[in-house]
Amino acid sequence: GQNIDQPTEMTATEGAIVQINCTYQTSGFNGLFWYQQHAGEAPTFLSYNVLDGLEEKGRFSSFLSRSKGYSYLLLKELQMKDSASYLCAVRDGDYKLSFGAGTTVTVRA
Amino acid sequence: KAGVTQTPRYLIKTRGQQVTLSCSPISGHRSVSWYQQTPGQGLQFLFEYFSETQRNKGNFPGRFSGRQFSNSRSEMNVSTLELGDSALYLCASSLGFQPQHFGDGTRLSIL
Repeated sequence: GQNIDQPTEMTATEGAIVQINCTYQTSGFNGLFWYQQHAGEAPTFLSYNVLDGLEEKGRFSSFLSRSKGYSYLLLKELQMKDSASYLCAVRDGDYKLSFGAGTTVTVRA
Repeated sequence: KAGVTQTPRYLIKTRGQQVTLSCSPISGHRSVSWYQQTPGQGLQFLFEYFSETQRNKGNFPGRFSGRQFSNSRSEMNVSTLELGDSALYLCASSLGFQPQHFGDGTRLSIL
């Protein structure tokens, strides 16, 4: 099966930067996604990487290295509303999407 | 543009019963995927439908089934409910292989 690992929890201060790492081992690769999920709500799409490199979208950036099976999500200028769970998801060779367990980010004042 | 709509939002059932959940995708989206989310297991893939055909399936028992209609609306059915089926069931739709967009989910509680 697929194996997607990310840290369970991270804590950072308002205004700071946090980097959430994700490593994966899948049968084939057709893209990596990051989702944000606030407690009691549905996941919302943040970013998509299919080629190596950095994708920047406002305060959020995502990086991918396919040869290393590695990605990170970078959250800059943290705000209290960024406190949420961040899910790394990988689409395998059969185009099936598998999710990591999620990283709970807590932003403190 | 309306988002993914799931009904009902909340459901309480007892062991042994069966349940049907509904999902209406974003207009124009033909791919619909279903997930089970629990605190212990995270988001687990159930199945994906595209143009009324099951394209992918996760590792769930045969009690979990689904179907998709010609208008892309999808239903999932769980028969002979067990306590462990208590979870948030999420539906997501996408345009081809573009990012998936999730509905608010159906929270199923089994007594």
